[in-house]
Amino acid sequence: NAGVTQTPKFQVLKTGQSMTLQCAQDMNHNSMYWYRQDPGMGLRLIYYSASEGTTDKGEVPNGYNVSRLNKREFSLRLESAAPSQTSVYFCASSEVATGSPLHFGNGTRLTVT
Amino acid sequence: QKEVEQDPGPLSVPEGAIVSLNCTYSNSAFQYFMWYRQYSRKGPELLMYTYSSGNKEDGRFTAQVDKSSKYISLFIRDSQPSDSATYLCAMTLTGGGNKLTFGTGTQLKVEL
Repeated sequence: NAGVTQTPKFQVLKTGQSMTLQCAQDMNHNSMYWYRQDPGMGLRLIYYSASEGTTDKGEVPNGYNVSRLNKREFSLRLESAAPSQTSVYFCASSEVATGSPLHFGNGTRLTVT
Repeated sequence: QKEVEQDPGPLSVPEGAIVSLNCTYSNSAFQYFMWYRQYSRKGPELLMYTYSSGNKEDGRFTAQVDKSSKYISLFIRDSQPSDSATYLCAMTLTGGGNKLTFGTGTQLKVEL
């Protein structure tokens, strides 16, 4: 039982390059999330998907796009990477009900030079 | 000013000490309060969850919520080296789904 799996674990990009971060969960959760974690800023919500077929912006959506491919998979795309997007990205999933625990993956460490 | 404030630490305590971790928040509409623990190079994992005001105890851990003061606490009794981690408070609104607002985290080190 893998939980939430993120790929890749590490990535280095040059400014202007694009990439997609992949996330898959095997807990049959309806809701999925993308957070970024920066020193001194904590975890900030980029996008979330309350259920399959829906996506909504979070606190810091600029420069990102998402796709809820199916119930299991939720990807995050950087179309033109910028140094300000250097961060650790976490995917999470949960049941829909407010207060349900979020289950996080182990993150993708992204550096943009 | 951030919606949720948390002292980043680091906090260093001897094994067996009682640890107190705290967060303050500004949005009085928050109703669900959580504590997540994050080990180095890992994703956060849920430690404690409280709805509205009051206390909740789970083994060596106690979570307290004081909504009148907009203040939440996590107490760890008989702290162990395995408790060394970053502790993140998080909260959300009724009807807010699970869009959590996180504190910045407090780094804790429990020394032998």
